[in-house]
Parts: sequence; structure tokens; C-alpha cells
Amino acid sequence: DAKTTQPNSMESNEEEPVHLPCNHSTISGTDYIHWYRQLPSQGPEYVIHGLTSNVNNRMASLAIAEDRKSSTLILHRATLRDAAVYYCTLDYNQGGKLIFGQGTELSVKP
Amino acid sequence: NAGVTQTPKFQVLKTGQSMTLQCAQDMNHNSMYWYRQDPGMGLRLIYYSASEGTTDKGEVPNGYNVSRLNKREFSLRLESAAPSQTSVYFCASSLRLAGPGNEQFFGPGTRLTVL
Repeated sequence: DAKTTQPNSMESNEEEPVHLPCNHSTISGTDYIHWYRQLPSQGPEYVIHGLTSNVNNRMASLAIAEDRKSSTLILHRATLRDAAVYYCTLDYNQGGKLIFGQGTELSVKP
Repeated sequence: NAGVTQTPKFQVLKTGQSMTLQCAQDMNHNSMYWYRQDPGMGLRLIYYSASEGTTDKGEVPNGYNVSRLNKREFSLRLESAAPSQTSVYFCASSLRLAGPGNEQFFGPGTRLTVL
């Protein structure tokens, strides 16, 4: 199964953009890239997902490299409520079996 | 809509005891999942149910059983709890297993301690 690698932690200032990277060099052609986030003491929350093209929704944007070996979650204007652990996961072979890595803990400074 | 609900929120068991974690969703989703999360770690899939009447093993199924009672409910049973099963358990659901609509919605979790 393909794995993901993310930095353990990142810091951002409030109202500035944040780029959260993820490497998935062993991704296969049919694996979707999903992003979830987890606020303290809560269950994970879906953020965004994509296959090949860049994707936008009300929460974030997902930029996928042309070779699909990496992706970047973009929060356009970080708020204090965005402080969470962000997980880049792969939907292995589109079977719904998400493979979670360690995640990136994002802290946002006022 | 309550979304995904889980009971109980907290549980303490002694080694060897059994218990069932309950999960229900009111979003008319077809697929449901059970994950565990150990301290400082990501989530690992225990079992999942693609649709009513089917269940399949995930990454870490040993020591667990599941029942998809109906479309709404998916329970996780520990027959003989072990300290290694101390964890936070999350239930999730999605409209379908794969393709559009497979984003998962998670419950608030059950914190289980096995002494």
C-alpha cells in the first residue's frame, strides 16, 4: 500500500496563506489523495480530495504535482480555528481504505 | 442531523472483559468504518462495511469483530480485551466506498482504557 510523508509540525501567522506539503512517491494511478484535519479531542474532518487535477472548495485548495508523487494543501488565510493536525491520506486503489500517516500539526499564531 | 454518533464516550475495562462499541449514522450513507488511534499516531482502519450486509478487514482486525446491523448501525466488539487495545476508537461513514461521494464523516470517538 502506498504511504504518505508529511512534516511533523508547521507554524503560520493568522491571516497568512499556509502550504502543507505531502509526499506520496509510491502512489498508484488509481489512488485518490484525501486530506483530513483533526482538532484537539475531536474526530477527523474531511477537507478535500483529488486524483490528478487541482481542486478547490470552500475550505482549501489542493495542488497535485504533475507526476502525482506529491501534493500541497493550501489554506488561503489561516485563522486560529485552523490549528489542527492535518492528515494527507491515500484512498488505496479507490477501495475506501484510507491510509493515514502521522500528520502535520499546524499551529497558528495571532 | 446528528451525523455520526458513538456510544459510549469513555470506557474502562479489565483485561479479558468484553464490550461492544456502538455507532450510528443518520446521513443515509452506504459505507461505514471503524478506526483506532493510538497516542500521537494517525488512524488505522480496523474493519469496514462497503454496504449493508457486507464487512471486510482493514489494517488491524485482530482481536475485533464487527456487525453491520442495518444501514444505520455498525458495531465493533472486543471479545477479550487486552491492554494493547487501549486507544481512541472512531467510527466513520461515507455515501459510497469509492469514487465521488467517498469522503468520510467521523464520529466524536470512544476513549477505551484496558487495565
